[in-house]
Amino acid sequence: EAEVAQSPRYKITEKSQAVAFWCDPISGHATLYWYRQILGQGPELLVQFQDESVVDDSQLPKDRFSAERLKGVDSTLKIQPAELGDSAMYLCASSRNYRGDYGYTFGSGTRLTVV
Amino acid sequence: EDQVTQSPEALRLQEGESSSLNCSYTVSGLRGLFWYRQDPGKGPEFLFTLYSAGEEKEKERLKATLTKKESFLHITAPKPEDSATYLCAVQAPGTASKLTFGTGTRLQVTL
Repeated sequence: EAEVAQSPRYKITEKSQAVAFWCDPISGHATLYWYRQILGQGPELLVQFQDESVVDDSQLPKDRFSAERLKGVDSTLKIQPAELGDSAMYLCASSRNYRGDYGYTFGSGTRLTVV
Repeated sequence: EDQVTQSPEALRLQEGESSSLNCSYTVSGLRGLFWYRQDPGKGPEFLFTLYSAGEEKEKERLKATLTKKESFLHITAPKPEDSATYLCAVQAPGTASKLTFGTGTRLQVTL
């Protein structure tokens, strides 16, 4: 069964350092999402891509977060500088189309701890 | 603003003891309601999408139903392997197709 690949699985970083996460969606999935999930809460959307274009980044803290999907395939989410409150699970998801008719497939996530 | 409220926050059942999880929602035009299962330390796993009131979907011991204000996830004769957090999410129409999630129900099924 096809999967959304994410790396690294775990990341510990010091406050004020830069950190980056990578996501490779299921082949052929045009829509890619980055969600953040704080422990005990539901995921919250950070950014949505349709191919290489950003569709929604209204909840992305743009002063410190950036995301790109240069060739419309894999994607990178960066945080610089990291803050203690950024500790969370960062989830990538993809779908065949923006409607999510077949559901959104999530990766296993990157667990970020900022110390 | 879209809102999703799930109840109860946590539920403990004995094996074979059927129950229901609730998802109440407020959205400006529902395009779809999604149910996901999430195991500790893993990403959510897709279960169902419901599109209109009255719709029902089943998968093994799980059955999801939808009304105009809420959705229920019925668990029939659960087993310990059904233990997980169950997340509900709504999607409004439009190309910005984000899911708005609830905080989930943590289900524990004991022998």
